[in-house]
Amino acid sequence: DGGITQSPKYLFRKEGQNVTLSCEQNLNHDAMYWYRQDPGQGLRLIYYSQIVNDFQKGDIAEGYSVSREKKESFPLTVTSAQKNPTAFYLCASSRDSGYEQYFGPGTRLTVT
Amino acid sequence: SQELEQSPQSLIVQEGKNLTINCTSSKTLYGLYWYKQKYGEGLIFLMMLQKGGEEKSHEKITAKLDEKKQQSSLHITASQPSHAGIYLCGADIVNNFNKFYFGSGTKLNVKP
Repeated sequence: DGGITQSPKYLFRKEGQNVTLSCEQNLNHDAMYWYRQDPGQGLRLIYYSQIVNDFQKGDIAEGYSVSREKKESFPLTVTSAQKNPTAFYLCASSRDSGYEQYFGPGTRLTVT
Repeated sequence: SQELEQSPQSLIVQEGKNLTINCTSSKTLYGLYWYKQKYGEGLIFLMMLQKGGEEKSHEKITAKLDEKKQQSSLHITASQPSHAGIYLCGADIVNNFNKFYFGSGTKLNVKP
């Protein structure tokens, strides 16, 4: 089955700790994305990558970092510099820009 | 996002009733995507519209893009409890890879 997986589904961290969220896809998609969703709001783009070893900042990149060493994987690190890290994080991929994005099941991060 | 306005924010309908959700932009949309989300889960791609006046249907859900490509509507005929969820529109507003926006979503409840 082709798809996107995110792990873990729930993640709890203490304030001041960095945490890495996993995103893997076996759809052979070139483009991958990370979004953040807060209650009652739409999605906001954190980072995106059009191709391996390349990524660009989205609208709210501060406090986050990513890497794209493999086509299938696009991990997101939430650093201690992110002031309000508690949120629902969604990873997506698409064949290329201009094509529909397919989403993973999401990771709910709670930082206390 | 302010680039895409969705209305209504929430909707409660009786099973069997029809309903319409709107997504509006002040700018030309190069591609308009409709997604459905169950609470705490990822987004499921429904339909993509690209041409002015285009209309697509899937089962009891029909989406249209107006001629000016600034407004889209999602219409559900004879709603069922399985239609309940959050419907989000997303769009390429400027033909630029990182300019993809989502509306804030419409929460739909269908009463049996």
